[in-house]
Amino acid sequence: DGGITQSPKYLFRKEGQNVTLSCEQNLNHDAMYWYRQDPGQGLRLIYYSQIVNDFQKGDIAEGYSVSREKKESFPLTVTSAQKNPTAFYLCASSIIRGPDTDNEQFFGPGTRLTVL
Amino acid sequence: RKEVEQDPGPFNVPEGATVAFNCTYSNSASQSFFWYRQDCRKEPKLLMSVYSSGNEDGRFTAQLNRASQYISLLIRDSKLSDSATYLCVVTRGYSTLTFGKGTMLLVSP
Repeated sequence: DGGITQSPKYLFRKEGQNVTLSCEQNLNHDAMYWYRQDPGQGLRLIYYSQIVNDFQKGDIAEGYSVSREKKESFPLTVTSAQKNPTAFYLCASSIIRGPDTDNEQFFGPGTRLTVL
Repeated sequence: RKEVEQDPGPFNVPEGATVAFNCTYSNSASQSFFWYRQDCRKEPKLLMSVYSSGNEDGRFTAQLNRASQYISLLIRDSKLSDSATYLCVVTRGYSTLTFGKGTMLLVSP
């Protein structure tokens, strides 16, 4: 069964603690992405990676870090520097076919992080 | 102008109604366009891609007007199960996407 898994579904942390969110895909997709969604808001891009051992900042990278050591995995660390970390975090992946073709993204079920 | 703008709704319609959503985008270089559906507290799921010639998938029809930078989604014969938030999505770069905030649809019996 191919897909994207994120764990855990719900996560609670105390303020000031770093936390790492897991994202794994077995779709053999080249690219992976992390988004944040706040209530009533659209998805905002945090980081993305198009190839192993390389990644780029998105629109709201401050306070976050990522790694891409394997094609299947793209963990996101929410650091204590992130001022408002409570949010719904979504991981996605896509094939990269080219600049003029559909590069639709497929999403994992998300992790709801609450910082107390 | 925001990158992708949508009317947030909610659109309240009875079962069987036809409803249309519109979306405008600011990046004239965008090449690919999509409609995603997001159920409450769930992940977005691809509903359909949008092509310049217009495309249809069952009760859903999507249209793209590149000159006006305008995308639409038409849902015919609405079902209760169509209740969700519909996200307008456009490409921003080589593989990145920009998401609108979504339009909420509520279909009532």
